[in-house]
Amino acid sequence: GQQLNQSPQSMFIQEGEDVSMNCTSSSIFNTWLWYKQDPGEGPVLLIALYKAGELTSNGRLTAQFGITRKDSFLNISASIPSDVGIYFCAGPISSGSARQLTFGSGTQLTVLP
Amino acid sequence: DTAVSQTPKYLVTQMGNDKSIKCEQNLGHDTMYWYKQDSKKFLKIMFSYNNKELIINETVPNRFSPKSPDKAHLNLHINSLELGDSAVYFCASSPVQGANEQFFGPGTRLTVL
Repeated sequence: GQQLNQSPQSMFIQEGEDVSMNCTSSSIFNTWLWYKQDPGEGPVLLIALYKAGELTSNGRLTAQFGITRKDSFLNISASIPSDVGIYFCAGPISSGSARQLTFGSGTQLTVLP
Repeated sequence: DTAVSQTPKYLVTQMGNDKSIKCEQNLGHDTMYWYKQDSKKFLKIMFSYNNKELIINETVPNRFSPKSPDKAHLNLHINSLELGDSAVYFCASSPVQGANEQFFGPGTRLTVL
């Protein structure tokens, strides 16, 4: 099946630093999504991207839809302690006549004070 | 008001037992999902229901049986629990089938001893 590979797998950064993570696929996606999972909670959608080359921001978060449509990037500027969590990329795939989301392997972010 | 709620939050049980996890959404959404998150945090869809009808059934052992009494509820019953069933199970919902934004519950951590 289609697999989304995220890197890095985990990151330890100091508060105030900027963070970059990416997601790659062997297949083309027409939509890229970024979700965040806080500790002990379910994932929440942060940003949705619909067009190759698109750059979209949500506060300190900026995500880009790669030109090849096989990758996406998420940047977090000036990190704060509440940025801790797991960041997942996701994309829609077909399952028979239905549509579902496939999720990447996640990037675990730890922000040190 | 919790949008997507699951009970119980934690479930510890012996191998071979049968257990159920309940999920309710008060968002008026048509579609509900069950996901399994393993120890490596990989998030994989198990089932999807649209208006009480099963539309996605990934490769899941038939010991797992979802039931949707109405479109606001999707329960998961697991027979003959095995050690490998230990994971966090997330319920989610979306306004329509295949929507990019899915709203996740807080998860049920199942531990099989």
